[in-house]
Amino acid sequence: GAVVSQHPSRVICKSGTSVKIECRSLDFQATTMFWYRQFPKQSLMLMATSNEGSKATYEQGVEKDKFLINHASLTLSTLTVTSAHPEDSSFYICSARFLAGGFYEQYFGPGTRLTVT
Amino acid sequence: GIQVEQSPPDLILQEGANSTLRCNFSDSVNNLQWFHQNPWGQLINLFYIPSGTKQNGRLSATTVATERYSLLYISSSQTTDSGVYFCAAAYNTDKLIFGTGTRLQVFP
Repeated sequence: GAVVSQHPSRVICKSGTSVKIECRSLDFQATTMFWYRQFPKQSLMLMATSNEGSKATYEQGVEKDKFLINHASLTLSTLTVTSAHPEDSSFYICSARFLAGGFYEQYFGPGTRLTVT
Repeated sequence: GIQVEQSPPDLILQEGANSTLRCNFSDSVNNLQWFHQNPWGQLINLFYIPSGTKQNGRLSATTVATERYSLLYISSSQTTDSGVYFCAAAYNTDKLIFGTGTRLQVFP
């Protein structure tokens, strides 16, 4: 149980275009999902918390108009990078909160590598 | 907020060796998880361990919450253990703060 998928796994886009990344919980319902960003050889940085049916909560310094998050169902959250620029190139990872044994663990998707040319 | 530091930053081992990875956190936690990020970027859950000791095969973990540290033990290392090991912590929130990671390379 607790499998999280992401699509696409890899995307290359031109500067100025928008890219949508999907995050799905495959075998459980996730009221809360998270989006992280990871630069090469660095740790994961939380970008935003996505709650089903409500607006996402963004971390300080993350532009909400640039990184649009929609959590329209209990199994799907999407991250849209709008007007992408080369500095947006990164590894984007989502996670979903899963209740097991009386506590919540986060389970992670396989990540999406975004390259903006 | 909580700060999480890991040591050592890099570790190179020969197959069969044992190792101990450390995670220090700056404040109280009630959520602490260990992950292995494989070379393809996938994070794999190893342990949920805000306190106490757990074992799973060749891996075990111990968290001493009162002293604000957690240890991950890897015994009889295999090449498939290579990757980056992260600990992540939180207190009364779902927002995990990730440590700096330990990059492990296991050679045959």
